Amino acid sequence: DADVTQTPRNRITKTGKRIMLECSQTKGHDRMYWYRQDPGLGLRLIYYSFDVKDINKGEISDGYSVSRQAQAKFSLSLESAIPNQTALYFCATSDQGYSEAFFGQGTRLTVV
Amino acid sequence: AQSVAQPEDQVNVAEGNPLTVKCTYSVSGNPYLFWYVQYPNRGLQFLLKYITGDNLVKGSYGFEAEFNKSQTSFHLKKPSALVSDSALYFCAVRGLPSGGSYIPTFGRGTSLIVHP
Repeated sequence: DADVTQTPRNRITKTGKRIMLECSQTKGHDRMYWYRQDPGLGLRLIYYSFDVKDINKGEISDGYSVSRQAQAKFSLSLESAIPNQTALYFCATSDQGYSEAFFGQGTRLTVV
Repeated sequence: AQSVAQPEDQVNVAEGNPLTVKCTYSVSGNPYLFWYVQYPNRGLQFLLKYITGDNLVKGSYGFEAEFNKSQTSFHLKKPSALVSDSALYFCAVRGLPSGGSYIPTFGRGTSLIVHP
């Protein structure tokens, strides 16, 4: 089983719909992140959480919200999806030290 | 604010030749530097990191990277490229905490194409 699991892997939704992307991890890490990947723009940080009670906005948080339901679960919601939110979304985890991040396989979201 | 630059969108190299994927960074204090690889339809996978110590870091799949503090660079290298190395490569930095946090910042990625 993967250390970081994202569901769904692919999703097509209509403009204006609410959608939730889910992430769970078995690494036991406190820190979790949501990134968005667009061609030519690399990975951009949407939200991050250092523990269940600590949630912070990243550089592109507008139009998104998150929920840290437990240490192992971190969900990303698009309250009213729009076409320019079409992208590949990644969840990642890391510990508090200098370690690398561990990524899920990504969710490819298309908003039509 | 910390930042990472990968000046090349794409690097082409023939199989068996050495490869270099460039990365420069900007950060307050000592940097913690990482390279990741992304294969099609997959998440990012960790290759190697520099925290402190020897400037030449060895990682997975025969890759290595050289930390150069004066040039603020952390270029990824491999002596002999394989076709299977073709993928998207990301450089990342985690700098001194701003408000107590080490947030990884990623470059835009470099597509490595190894030709048979």
